Amino acid sequence: QKEVEQNSGPLSVPEGAIASLNCTYSDRGSQSFFWYRQYSGKNPELIMFIYSNGDKEDGRFTAQLNKASQYVSLLIRDSQPSDSATYLCAGPTTSGTYKYIFGTGTRLKVLA
Amino acid sequence: DAGVTQSPTHLIKTRGQQVTLRCSPKSGHDTVSWYQQALGQGPQFIFQYYEEEERQRGNFPDRFSGHQFPNYSSELNVNALLLGDSALYLCASSFRTQVLNYGYTFGSGTRLTVV
Repeated sequence: QKEVEQNSGPLSVPEGAIASLNCTYSDRGSQSFFWYRQYSGKNPELIMFIYSNGDKEDGRFTAQLNKASQYVSLLIRDSQPSDSATYLCAGPTTSGTYKYIFGTGTRLKVLA
Repeated sequence: DAGVTQSPTHLIKTRGQQVTLRCSPKSGHDTVSWYQQALGQGPQFIFQYYEEEERQRGNFPDRFSGHQFPNYSSELNVNALLLGDSALYLCASSFRTQVLNYGYTFGSGTRLTVV
């Protein structure tokens, strides 16, 4: 089993809709998770991190963490064409506390 | 406040050659991690440097080596290049004790093409 898994997509949503991106992880000891956005050919940019069970909101973005189910999600409200990118989920491994493992990323397309 | 700087931005090398990629971390950061990102894939962890030592290593052969200098900058060296080494190489910097809260800051990457 991969340590961090994501559906590669593409996930297509109409402009203004809610985009829901999901990530599962295998290491029960993982404490915090990060969502990065990566435009084609560019470097990943950090958009949110979460380390507590529940929801964390930042503008149009909401991260959700469920440690019991080993599940992390990112919701993007009022999706815009500029949100079209690949979204990477990353979590640390407890065996190497400062090393982050990335999923393969989910490609999001917001249709105008 | 300078972000993470990587050089060069693009590089074309021939199979069997050696390459050195460079990274200057964000001001205030002391830890550098290197990732390889193949097309359509997520970044794969190569190794991490802190206090001028390799602290963590991913599943990469010994052809991949690195170094960290006293000013926290870092180099990634790849020997005996293979076609499969063609990828975007990302440098990620962090402040070690805060990485769990703040994650990495990535550089723009070096696009390596092996022909």
